[in-house]
Amino acid sequence: GNSVTQMEGPVTLSEEAFLTINCTYTATGYPSLFWYVQYPGEGLQLLLKATKADDKGSNKGFEATYRKETTSFHLEKGSVQVSDSAVYFCALITQGAQKLVFGQGTRLTINP
Amino acid sequence: ETGVTQSPTHLIKTRGQQVTLRCSSQSGHNTVSWYQQALGQGPQFIFQYYREEENGRGNFPPRFSGLQFPNYSSELNVNALELDDSALYLCASSLDNWRAEAGELFFGEGSRLTVL
Repeated sequence: GNSVTQMEGPVTLSEEAFLTINCTYTATGYPSLFWYVQYPGEGLQLLLKATKADDKGSNKGFEATYRKETTSFHLEKGSVQVSDSAVYFCALITQGAQKLVFGQGTRLTINP
Repeated sequence: ETGVTQSPTHLIKTRGQQVTLRCSSQSGHNTVSWYQQALGQGPQFIFQYYREEENGRGNFPPRFSGLQFPNYSSELNVNALELDDSALYLCASSLDNWRAEAGELFFGEGSRLTVL
């Protein structure tokens, strides 16, 4: 079946550091890929998405590129802020499916 | 624009009891999905409702059931509660079924259920 694997957390960084959160997937067909973010006390929010190979999703300084050859969708940000502290989920959906398949989440803490 | 609202935010039940969780979808959204998020895990799909009909179901037993009402709000019912049902239950709405399939979901903050 379809699955998503994220790098183990938690991740702790200093402000202005470079961030990478790894995500790899297994899926039949050609899935769309997503990063969702869950800030403390809030619901899950869509951060960015990519729908086909080599697409780059970007939002709020975060980027991720859909790499079909390595089945990966790693999240990156050049300079993190304290306000980026949250739990990040990588997810996929396959064409015609009703459900998002999520990874286990990575908790990110940014220290000033 | 009102977002997705869920109630109650927290509740405690004992094993064997039944629970009903409620969700008001975002204005204009006709598709509602429910997910279970166990502690430290990613959300897992329970089922989806589109225009009052179940439109897909994940790997959950029949004691997990749902409803969608004409105003597109929704309920999740769980019978014969088990300890493993302790989790955050998330409701997500989409403008329509097609956008749900594109992953364009708007999530509520969830209902945290503890089963003792």
